[in-house]
Amino acid sequence: ETGVTQTPRHLVMGMTNKKSLKCEQHLGHNAMYWYKQSAKKPLELMFVYNFKEQTENNSVPSRFSPECPNSSHLFLHLHTLQPEDSALYLCASSQGQGETQYFGPGTRLLVL
Amino acid sequence: GENVEQHPSTLSVQEGDSAVIKCTYSDSASNYFPWYKQELGKRPQLIIDIRSNVGEKKDQRIAVTLNKTAKHFSLHITETQPEDSAVYFCAATDSWGKFQFGAGTQVVVTP
Repeated sequence: ETGVTQTPRHLVMGMTNKKSLKCEQHLGHNAMYWYKQSAKKPLELMFVYNFKEQTENNSVPSRFSPECPNSSHLFLHLHTLQPEDSALYLCASSQGQGETQYFGPGTRLLVL
Repeated sequence: GENVEQHPSTLSVQEGDSAVIKCTYSDSASNYFPWYKQELGKRPQLIIDIRSNVGEKKDQRIAVTLNKTAKHFSLHITETQPEDSAVYFCAATDSWGKFQFGAGTQVVVTP
């Protein structure tokens, strides 16, 4: 349960705020992912990093900016978000890209 | 790219009965098929997975079957219990290592 951690667990922000989500994995994995989970929708892959290099950007708006300083840490910087961006943001990691993914507990984001 | 469809979207079963969730995929090169369980307010957790060189895999009360020809795979839960109530997601990984998740199935086990 503590292999992948995320902070904060809950976040409320206004549309003009800037905030960051943090993900850390203690599994020695090389790939990390950001997903958005909205009600009644499938998990939406946002970004993929493999060995600190971004390998996928799934047409995500520029108001979401990822950062991966090393294989253990992943950030999602948020600015000028919209109410429709309210969702659960899940981080995951895997040994290699395409292998079993392990999820963090998520950050529940509410944009007012 | 890969497209995964999952059915049904909701499934209500009596405790002790079996539950079956089906997923279809579009990319014949897909080679890895995990299933995740997400309880309310919790993270998705891997419960079972299968690779394309295997047709069936079982772990206690859960099993997964894969039909590569028809491009579908299914999750089977036998002797359901209230703690099996959750949302279940299937996924398929293509040869590029990209996961595509199904939309999820809300399973409700009634005592």
